[in-house]
Amino acid sequence: DIQMTQSPSSLSASVGDRVTITCRASQSISSYLNWYQQKPGKAPKLLIYEASSLQSGVPSRFSGSGSGTDFTLTISSLQPEDFATYYCQQSYSSHTWTFGQGTKVERK
Amino acid sequence: QVQLMESGGGVVQPGRSLRLSCAASGFTFSSSGMNWVRQAPGKGLEWVALIWSDGSNQYYVDSVKGRFTISRDNSKNTLYLQMNSLRAEDTAVYYCARAGSAAGVYYFDYWGQGTLVTVSA
Repeated sequence: DIQMTQSPSSLSASVGDRVTITCRASQSISSYLNWYQQKPGKAPKLLIYEASSLQSGVPSRFSGSGSGTDFTLTISSLQPEDFATYYCQQSYSSHTWTFGQGTKVERK
Repeated sequence: QVQLMESGGGVVQPGRSLRLSCAASGFTFSSSGMNWVRQAPGKGLEWVALIWSDGSNQYYVDSVKGRFTISRDNSKNTLYLQMNSLRAEDTAVYYCARAGSAAGVYYFDYWGQGTLVTVSA
């Protein structure tokens, strides 16, 4: 099975900060990598698919990059509504999809 | 707009069964692969099962193989998850999620609000 490892597990940041979250796959997954945002008590929301494609309606301050085994999610200027937990997810392995353990973005 | 509404969660004893439902609207259900994703309390997300749009193929995470069955009724725009031989470690919020795709990359583009399943004696 493909394992997904996110770093850091949590981070503290302030409004206006640039935030970067990393996701590493245990083997090459090409660009089969998606990012989600989840707020407490809510369902996850798709932000980025295929490593760098912005889902419709998602603010342009969110961006994704990477391919192979190393990927990043960047929030260019953190907004108050962006404090949440972020997950990466691979869809490379045939019908066995896995998530990273999550990165919680907290207010400094 | 797209809506997914889960139901059927509750408290159940270990070893017993439960069936979850997910009512879909706002999109062509019969053309969409559908999934169940779960989240144990305070934990991360875990994909559980996938069913193709026509119901012809189903896939499961290893931990539920042989115990859970995903199915669908395209005439009712409804997705199901039959959960048998439930264990304490199956305790989680269960989400149904649509499988979107682009250039062969699959992702979960719409999610329901989730239904809580608690397995406890």
